[in-house]
Amino acid sequence: EVQLVESGGGLVQPGGSLRLSCAVSGFSVSANYMSWVRQAPGKGLEWVSVIYTGGTTFYADSVKGRFTISRDNSKNTVFLQMDSLRVADTAVYYCVRERTVRGDIRFDPWGQGTLVTVSS
Amino acid sequence: DIQMTQSPSSLSASVGDRVTITCQASQDISNFLNWYQQKPGKAPKLLIYDASHLETGVPSRFSGSGSGTDFSFSISSLQPEDIATYYCQQDTTFGGGTKVEIK
Repeated sequence: EVQLVESGGGLVQPGGSLRLSCAVSGFSVSANYMSWVRQAPGKGLEWVSVIYTGGTTFYADSVKGRFTISRDNSKNTVFLQMDSLRVADTAVYYCVRERTVRGDIRFDPWGQGTLVTVSS
Repeated sequence: DIQMTQSPSSLSASVGDRVTITCQASQDISNFLNWYQQKPGKAPKLLIYDASHLETGVPSRFSGSGSGTDFSFSISSLQPEDIATYYCQQDTTFGGGTKVEIK
C-alpha cells in the first residue's frame, strides 16, 4: 500500500526552525521526484520545493534560502528543514510525489499533512 | 511564470445539478492541466490529468475538457459527497480553487 506520513509540525516562534519528515511506503523516494506543497489556513495550495531523483532541488521564491529539502534513501524518508520561519509560513505542509508524464507534472499521492504554526 | 485563473471561487448548487468550473492559463499549456478534489480536512486528490483523463476509480460524473489556455471541469450530476474545493494545476502552479456547496 502506498502511504506518505508527515511529522514534525508544531508551534514555533518567528525566526525559529522546524524539520518536517515524510516517511514513505509503497514506492522508493530515490526513484521518484518528491515535493512539498503547503496550504495556509483557509487558502489555496502553494508548491514549496522538489527533490529530483538525481538530488537536484528547487524552491519557491517565497522559501528560497530558508528551506532545504533532502532525503534519506535508507529510511525512504523525505525532509524539509525550515529555518528563519515567518508568520506567513504558517500552513499545513503536504508531502507528495511529483510525476512527470510526457511533459505533464502531476502530484499524486499526497500525505495527510502536518500543521506548522509560526507565532509569538 | 504561467498564471492560472480559476472561476468561480465558490458556487452553490442542488443535488443532481450540473456544475462547471473553468481554469484559464496565461499562455498556451497544451493539455498539461490537472484537476484535484480536496474534501474538508483532507489532502487533495488527483481526479483528472492531461485535461480530460479520469484517474482510475474516479466516478464518470466527473469530466474535464480544454486545451491551450481554456479548460473546464464538470460534475454532471452533483452528489452530496462531491462537496469539496476543486483546484486546477499546471506545472507547479495551482489555481485559486472553487468551493462547491450544496444549495
